[in-house]
Amino acid sequence: EAGVAQSPRYKIIEKRQSVAFWCNPISGHATLYWYQQILGQGPKLLIQFQNNGVVDDSQLPKDRFSAERLKGVDSTLKIQPAKLEDSAVYLCASSFGGWGRGFEQYFGPGTRLTVT
Amino acid sequence: GQQVMQIPQYQHVQEGEDFTTYCNSSTTLSNIQWYKQRPGGHPVFLIQLVKSGEVKKQKRLTFQFGEAKKNSSLHITATQTTDVGTYFCAGVGAAGNKLTFGGGTRVLVKP
Repeated sequence: EAGVAQSPRYKIIEKRQSVAFWCNPISGHATLYWYQQILGQGPKLLIQFQNNGVVDDSQLPKDRFSAERLKGVDSTLKIQPAKLEDSAVYLCASSFGGWGRGFEQYFGPGTRLTVT
Repeated sequence: GQQVMQIPQYQHVQEGEDFTTYCNSSTTLSNIQWYKQRPGGHPVFLIQLVKSGEVKKQKRLTFQFGEAKKNSSLHITATQTTDVGTYFCAGVGAAGNKLTFGGGTRVLVKP
C-alpha cells in the first residue's frame, strides 16, 4: 500500500513569509497528526485530527500556525508569518484508529523547512 | 504536563556488543511505543507495549514495560551496523489522549 505522502520535501523561506505543507495519509486512516521535529529532538505533536475534527491542538502556536483537514483526508499545515525558530522538519503521520489498538503511526518523509 | 525522558542521549557501541536504552515518564502511561529513525529518515514504528511488566522480543531487540507503567527499556544484543539510528519511545498518557515522544537515544556503531 502507498505510504504517507508529503510535499514539498524541502522549503527555504525568509522570516515573516508564509509557507504551507501538504499531507496525504494512508487510505482508510482516520487519524492524522502533524509533528514538528527540531534537529536533535524528538517529534513534538502540533495537532491531531480524527477524520476532519481536531482532537488535540494544545501545542499548536495558534497565532501563526493553522491546519485543516477538509473531507477527512488530505491536510495542510500553514505558518504565517514564519520565524527563525520554526526551522525544523514537519512530519505528517496517520493511523487507522486513535488511542489503543490500531494506533500504530505511519510517518511521511517530512518537509524540511529552513527560515532565513 | 506529561514528560518523557530517555537516557542515554547518545550511545556509542562496538559492533557485536549489547546495550540498553531507557525511557522514563513523569506520569503513569496507558501504553508505550518505540520508533526507530535512521539518519535523514522518518520515524518507523517498532512495537507497542500495553500491559504492566510486558516483555516483547523482535529478533535481537527486547522491549520491556515497567511494572508501574512509568518506564520502559529497549535492549539490543549483538549490535550490528544496521542498528544505527535514533530510537524514540513515545508514551500515551493514562487518560489515553496524548502521545509524547522522548528525546531519543542516538546509537552509533563502531565496526
